[in-house]
Amino acid sequence: DIVLTQSPASLAVSLGQRATISCRASQSVSTSSYSYMHWYQQKPGQPPKLLIKYASNLESGVPARFSGSGSGTDFTLNIHPVEEEDTATYYCQHSWEIPWTFGGGTKLEIK
Amino acid sequence: QIQLVQSGPELKKPGETVKISCKASGYTFTNYGMNWVKQAPGKGLKWMGWINTYTGEPTYADDFKGRFAFSLETSASTAYLQINNLKNEDMATYFCARRNGNYVYYFDYWGQGTTLTVSS
Repeated sequence: DIVLTQSPASLAVSLGQRATISCRASQSVSTSSYSYMHWYQQKPGQPPKLLIKYASNLESGVPARFSGSGSGTDFTLNIHPVEEEDTATYYCQHSWEIPWTFGGGTKLEIK
Repeated sequence: QIQLVQSGPELKKPGETVKISCKASGYTFTNYGMNWVKQAPGKGLKWMGWINTYTGEPTYADDFKGRFAFSLETSASTAYLQINNLKNEDMATYFCARRNGNYVYYFDYWGQGTTLTVSS
């Protein structure tokens, strides 16, 4: 199984600053055309919400302050400038092969 | 609009069976696979598997082979998750999630979650 390691496990960022979350896969999840990596946001008591698909494609309706990058085994989610409503846990997820797995999550707090 | 609406919270005893439903609306049910995701209290997300809503063929992650069963009622655009012989470790919130994409799959719509409590 592909293991996704997210870092940090938690972070606190000041309002208006940048939050950077990393996701490292135990093997490559990219081809020359696509990356099989996606990002979700989950607020307490709610289901996850898709933010980014194919590593860098913003889902419709998601604010442009969210961005994704990376390929191969290393991926990053950036949020800039962070807003109060971005308080949540963020997960990466691959769909390279079954089983599709999620990272352990990164809890973001806004200072 | 697209919605996945799950059945309500469940309280069961160890050894019992539970069946959770996920009713889809706003799209053609058989065009998109349905996935199930487990979230234990205070923990992360774990993919359980998916069911091909066109053929009815289920695929289970290794940890969910045996006591778990995915099924469909296509005429009602509804997917089901059944868990037999419940154990304490099955206590969690279960989400259904629609699979989208061509070859590169992601989960674009999620149910609100069904909380399962297992207690004697």
